[in-house]
Amino acid sequence: DQQVKQNSPSLSVQEGRISILNCDYTNSMFDYFLWYKKYPAEGPTFLISISSIKDKNEDGRFTVFLNKSAKHLSLHIVPSQPGDSAVYFCAAATGGTSYGKLTFGQGTILTVHP
Amino acid sequence: DSGVTQTPKHLITATGQRVTLRCSPRSGDLSVYWYQQSLDQGLQFLIQYYNGEERAKGNILERFSAQQFPDLHSELNLSSLELGDSALYFCASSPGNTGELFFGEGSRLTVL
Repeated sequence: DQQVKQNSPSLSVQEGRISILNCDYTNSMFDYFLWYKKYPAEGPTFLISISSIKDKNEDGRFTVFLNKSAKHLSLHIVPSQPGDSAVYFCAAATGGTSYGKLTFGQGTILTVHP
Repeated sequence: DSGVTQTPKHLITATGQRVTLRCSPRSGDLSVYWYQQSLDQGLQFLIQYYNGEERAKGNILERFSAQQFPDLHSELNLSSLELGDSALYFCASSPGNTGELFFGEGSRLTVL
């Protein structure tokens, strides 16, 4: 049972355009959501997070939107740069004992073309 | 460089064997996490330690065990290895109980 799903295995975008990565979840107990990116031969790197009490969080070119009623979150990258090409993982956690016990999606490969 | 060090980077062994993966967290981080990434399962949480104590457990097999030592480094022990245990094993650390984890580069285990 996959509680966090990234239905698009890959996304290709032109440099300078917006990249939108999507993520759906099924567990209504999740109250903290994160995005990680991963380059080949490296571990995942934390990008941005959002608590369930918010519906938007911005950090520079990265914005995460949360729609609790739809159990959906998205990551917007504007403008996209070639260096953004990586695998992006959506993750979710339940408050309580450990916010580090993350449930990850399968990942979306983002390719930004110059 | 995340500051989290994992050894070995690559390991090839046979079914039935036992291996130990080692992780040194970032300086000052009290929490250590172990995750498994296999081709068909994605990143799966295995276990968390906080300052030497087990804090949370995921779908970790009984053949697997972990511990965190007084100097905060951690070891993941995998025994009676099966082909399906072949995966990338990531260690991560964080200063507290937060989801903003710092991951190491992983240990790639191949079981033949």
